[in-house]
Amino acid sequence: NAGVTQTPKFQVLKTGQSMTLQCAQDMNHNSMYWYRQDPGMGLRLIYYSASEGTTDKGEVPNGYNVSRLNKREFSLRLESAAPSQTSVYFCASREGVNRDYGYTFGSGTRLTVV
Amino acid sequence: LAKTTQPISMDSYEGQEVNITCSHNNIATNDYITWYQQFPSQGPRFIIQGYKTKVTNEVASLFIPADRKSSTLSLPRVSLSDTAVYYCLVVTGGFKTIFGAGTRLFVKA
Repeated sequence: NAGVTQTPKFQVLKTGQSMTLQCAQDMNHNSMYWYRQDPGMGLRLIYYSASEGTTDKGEVPNGYNVSRLNKREFSLRLESAAPSQTSVYFCASREGVNRDYGYTFGSGTRLTVV
Repeated sequence: LAKTTQPISMDSYEGQEVNITCSHNNIATNDYITWYQQFPSQGPRFIIQGYKTKVTNEVASLFIPADRKSSTLSLPRVSLSDTAVYYCLVVTGGFKTIFGAGTRLFVKA
């Protein structure tokens, strides 16, 4: 099925460990996004990629890095995980940036840092 | 970026119509209003978008008054499966869209 695929779905890390969250979309969308969602809160933008080869910071970029590997894939890396990064991470893509283009989200990665 | 305010939670019963109102006092002339739905353990899903007056699709209706400082999402005859979080967004264009805390709708039997 067409859409946004995130892996893994669940992950437990120890403080200080590193990991990469993977995201791929097959809709030929130009822009891609990483959000985090904490309990009872909305989504906060971590990083986004306007197009292949470009990335920019969102609201809460500290502690994260991203790579737009190609048009399909956008990965999020935690270099040294901290308990404050325990959250659900969502990847999204969007065809364009005009108002008419809605976001398509993946099903999320639930990350726990102990 | 325009900020939105919506109720934290709402309860309803199956078969009722549910109206969720969102205020966006500082909406700009070119901004659109968009609503998303999020089920537990899933990412948000686009429901409906509008600029002014009324928009209707197979899922919901969106009412926007002339001053556009608020909008109302209307869900006709809700069922248990409509239990979800509903987000009101003001979309300016560009890459940074603010998702607030949303409204948690509980539909009871």
